[in-house]
Amino acid sequence: EVQLVESGGGLVQPGGSLRLSCAASGFTFSSYAMSWVRQAPGKGLEWVSAVSRSGGTTYYADSVKGRFTISRDNSKNTLYLQVHSLRAEDTAVYYCAKVATGPWGQGTLVTVSS
Amino acid sequence: DIVMTQTPLSSPVTLGQPASISCRSSQSLIHSDGNTYLSWLQQRPSQPPRLLIYKISNRFSGVPDRFSGSGAGTDFTLKISRVEAEDVGVYYCMQATQFPYTFGQGTKLEIK
Repeated sequence: EVQLVESGGGLVQPGGSLRLSCAASGFTFSSYAMSWVRQAPGKGLEWVSAVSRSGGTTYYADSVKGRFTISRDNSKNTLYLQVHSLRAEDTAVYYCAKVATGPWGQGTLVTVSS
Repeated sequence: DIVMTQTPLSSPVTLGQPASISCRSSQSLIHSDGNTYLSWLQQRPSQPPRLLIYKISNRFSGVPDRFSGSGAGTDFTLKISRVEAEDVGVYYCMQATQFPYTFGQGTKLEIK
């Protein structure tokens, strides 16, 4: 079964950092570009970042550029999102996704609050 | 950025009747590789998004065949042949042809 499982979310103070992880299974992880998408409470979906199959090329939404870093470890079938300088507006559920053809994960909640 | 516009934003439907949601993009979604990366997602209340359709018309694993996608270029449609109670939720279209990837505003499907 193809599956993505996120972890690493939690409560963090403004200005803080976290590393989100996404474990992939059931497909050849290294063959696909991967993305992070987030959803703030009561809001719609917002694409955050993407990484190429090799990890050599990355893309970011303007809202997170310079603060978030996407990476992957194909030997561990794992996608990461390092988030720094967190703001209240970064509070959201973060989903990893093989956007082009699925699947999507179940999400991990990041709450930025003092 | 490509703007994705969904209509209607709210759709009251009678159980067993069909439903249709439209999604229009501000630019063609045909990628240089020849594919059109237009997806439809369903989000039931208090649930994560679930991929229904990818590349316009391909149903994801486990998605009932009452869901179908169609369209080309800039105009796309999600159809539900016979709405069931479990179909209540918000439906989003998404383009993954050009960065930044973008979503429609969401269409709320509810039962009359």
